[in-house]
Amino acid sequence: AQKVTQTQTSISVVEKTTVTMDCVYETRDSSYFLFWYKQTASGEIVFLIRQDSYKKENATVGHYSLNFQKPKSSIGLIITATQIEDSAVYFCAMRGMSNYNVLYFGSGTKLTVEP
Amino acid sequence: EAAVTQSPRNKVAVTGGKVTLSCNQTNNHNNMYWYRQDTGHGLRLIHYSYGAGSTEKGDIPDGYKASRPSQENFSLILELATPSQTSVYFCASGDRGGTFGAGTRLSVL
Repeated sequence: AQKVTQTQTSISVVEKTTVTMDCVYETRDSSYFLFWYKQTASGEIVFLIRQDSYKKENATVGHYSLNFQKPKSSIGLIITATQIEDSAVYFCAMRGMSNYNVLYFGSGTKLTVEP
Repeated sequence: EAAVTQSPRNKVAVTGGKVTLSCNQTNNHNNMYWYRQDTGHGLRLIHYSYGAGSTEKGDIPDGYKASRPSQENFSLILELATPSQTSVYFCASGDRGGTFGAGTRLSVL
């Protein structure tokens, strides 16, 4: 079975600082894909960044980057120079090759960025 | 820009009634999905489709049917709605990150 766990329910940071959100996953697949999504206060869900399990380099998109630690089955999301607009709920998700079309989500971490 | 449009955005239904949630995508994606979101559970997959004419069960299909009459349209059907199906429903298309619709808030009274 595949499972994604986000243990941090909520995080609060001061604007312009760096924040890391944790995510651990379980899978028996040798190849898999990991994703992070952002859900804004309006409910909109936006894809942010993806890590392919066979790639050793950590993915980076804008001020989002990943800390992929495959031996620990961990994929952390790092947001640098946080802005008020980064306040949202962040979801980690995984797709395995054994059931490629199913995306498993964690329960989410609510990030609040304060001035 | 690729888009996924859900309708209605809000729906109030009565217990035992039939509810149809619609989703249209302009991405020309083969794969489409229906999720529900409940507090503490993240998003859970109900049904998905590989293309027109196909529907597959996700993790929580009980009480739901799906229909994919065309590449663009994917519907979620609640034949006999129950209060436990009160939730926010999201449609998505695509394989990689995917594109999500804006969601449908359904209340079953």
